[in-house]
Amino acid sequence: GQQVMQIPQYQHVQEGEDFTTYCNSSTTLSNIQWYKQRPGGHPVFLIQLVKSGEVKKQKRLTFQFGEAKKNSSLHITATQTTDVGTYFCAGYTGNQFYFGTGTSLTVIP
Amino acid sequence: EADIYQTPRYLVIGTGKKITLECSQTMGHDKMYWYQQDPGMELHLIHYSYGVNSTEKGDLSSESTVSRIRTEHFPLTLESARPSHTSQYLCAARQHTEAFFGQGTRLTVV
Repeated sequence: GQQVMQIPQYQHVQEGEDFTTYCNSSTTLSNIQWYKQRPGGHPVFLIQLVKSGEVKKQKRLTFQFGEAKKNSSLHITATQTTDVGTYFCAGYTGNQFYFGTGTSLTVIP
Repeated sequence: EADIYQTPRYLVIGTGKKITLECSQTMGHDKMYWYQQDPGMELHLIHYSYGVNSTEKGDLSSESTVSRIRTEHFPLTLESARPSHTSQYLCAARQHTEAFFGQGTRLTVV
């Protein structure tokens, strides 16, 4: 069954507001990846985090890997309409590669 | 742009038909995956492979089969299509890090 959960499932924000999605695993992950899927498209890799407590930034996006390597977050500062889509985390544990349940972001202009 | 291709892009088929969705990659990646996804929703793992002659079942595998005779090719077969199979099917390949996805096959079973 599903081992990687994300919250919230859906998020509507006004353009310019911040957005955060949280990813939680039932087991310790070797690494965590984040993907973005635009409406009608396919998931595209954004970033990978490997170290406990690691924080990485890509312009307005901040990614964090928890100290216990069982959770992660993606924070977008000052959302824009181009941020619309579904954000997935993905973790590698043992021999299995799991995608999270996804958070669908809608940005209202 | 990733070198992973899925055909057909769109398919409408009648109930009970047998269909094969094609996935090919030119990256030489060992690991390949098939996912079923409704728009904007979870990616449900159907089957995966860690290399030639290796196939494993995911969560939604009971009504489909896969084969991995060559590294670059990972076809998915639905033995008897049903309306509940209407969805998008995504193929992915990865080696050590990121997964590269194909454009998907949007299947409608009538």
